[in-house]
Amino acid sequence: DAGITQSPRYKITETGRQVTLMCHQTWSHSYMFWYRQDLGHGLRLIYYSAAADITDKGEVPDGYVVSRSKTENFPLTLESATRSQTSVYFCASSDWAGSNTGELFFGEGSRLTVL
Amino acid sequence: GNSVTQMEGPVTLSEEAFLTINCTYTATGYPSLFWYVQYPGEGLQLLLKATKADDKGSNKGFEATYRKETTSFHLEKGSVQVSDSAVYFCALSLPREGAQKLVFGQGTRLTINP
Repeated sequence: DAGITQSPRYKITETGRQVTLMCHQTWSHSYMFWYRQDLGHGLRLIYYSAAADITDKGEVPDGYVVSRSKTENFPLTLESATRSQTSVYFCASSDWAGSNTGELFFGEGSRLTVL
Repeated sequence: GNSVTQMEGPVTLSEEAFLTINCTYTATGYPSLFWYVQYPGEGLQLLLKATKADDKGSNKGFEATYRKETTSFHLEKGSVQVSDSAVYFCALSLPREGAQKLVFGQGTRLTINP
């Protein structure tokens, strides 16, 4: 099916472990984004990418790593998970026009719990 | 800096009630304004938008008018349904800064009781 999909939808891990959240979109959108959603903070941008091999930091990038070797994929890695990274993570994408107007398409989210 | 402030939730209404969710913003320049909706278990989706002052965005019976003089973009619906239960996010973006500078409010959880 066309769209933007995230996996896993739910993940429980332990402090110090590496975790990778996957994001795949089928629209060939050039822009992709990772947000985290926390009570009291709304959505905060972690990293974004304007195209394959181009990534940049958002508001809260510390503790996260991203890559974008292919246009359709934008994985987010927590190299050594901490409890403060317990959150719901949303991937989003937009085409060039959307990147200038703020219109994003969101995945269904990945709920991560770090014990 | 740029910011969005929404009325705190949760908001609980009965079916067919009138809904208003307040949103005010602070921005340098002339932002575009958005309402996104997040239904239970789903990602956010764009509900409506307005790109300049006095524009009215509308969709699914919801409306919001871009009020530059009061820096507001309140969301309204005349008669809510149970299916409108969701979290609503107000957001802004500035021209030439793109979606990477999209600023979200904290979200307002709406519950509609039958």
